Amino acid sequence: ETGVTQSPTHLIKTRGQQVTLRCSSQSGHNTVSWYQQALGQGPQFIFQYYREEENGRGNFPPRFSGLQFPNYSSELNVNALELDDSALYLCASSLAIEQFFGPGTRLTVL
Amino acid sequence: GIQVEQSPPDLILQEGANSTLRCNFSDSVNNLQWFHQNPWGQLINLFYIPSGTKQNGRLSATTVATERYSLLYISSSQTTDSGVYFCAVPYYGGSQGNLIFGKGTKLSVKP
Repeated sequence: ETGVTQSPTHLIKTRGQQVTLRCSSQSGHNTVSWYQQALGQGPQFIFQYYREEENGRGNFPPRFSGLQFPNYSSELNVNALELDDSALYLCASSLAIEQFFGPGTRLTVL
Repeated sequence: GIQVEQSPPDLILQEGANSTLRCNFSDSVNNLQWFHQNPWGQLINLFYIPSGTKQNGRLSATTVATERYSLLYISSSQTTDSGVYFCAVPYYGGSQGNLIFGKGTKLSVKP
């Protein structure tokens, strides 16, 4: 157990809808990173939040957005869902260099 | 950007066998992590090993940063070792580096 939790576990949406995924970081960790993992691939970095500010972004369009709250928990929002957004979404929390991952949210877009 | 390559892509072992997984990276790094992804998708931290050798039970890892590779050794493999093994390095050298993952090695251990 890493102490990082994510909700929901699974989610089914239709194309064009919006979705919000949630992540609670490990106690004491002030940085949360989000990753998308397509089937058969390694995780791809979406963005990172450090002390409530975006602190780096990967090659994802603006319809992927996020927030970090004062307790360091975080949300990932995806607007105008596309079929290719179907994936496992992972969040990771960290205080220093080493990152610890939550169990993920599996999103299916129909 | 930095490239991470893992080999082999797939590995099938009989229970009790030993194996070596390799991770090559294209640029110098100050951080490297090995993960095991179980069938439910959970990424489990195995090692944080920017350089040197570490051991944890039947698993050990060695990173030779100057030659840009890392090795993960699994001895006396068990069926519970099955899953996908990833190595990951930071996108940049900062202390809050965002991880770049290889494509993984899928390990199947047969009873």
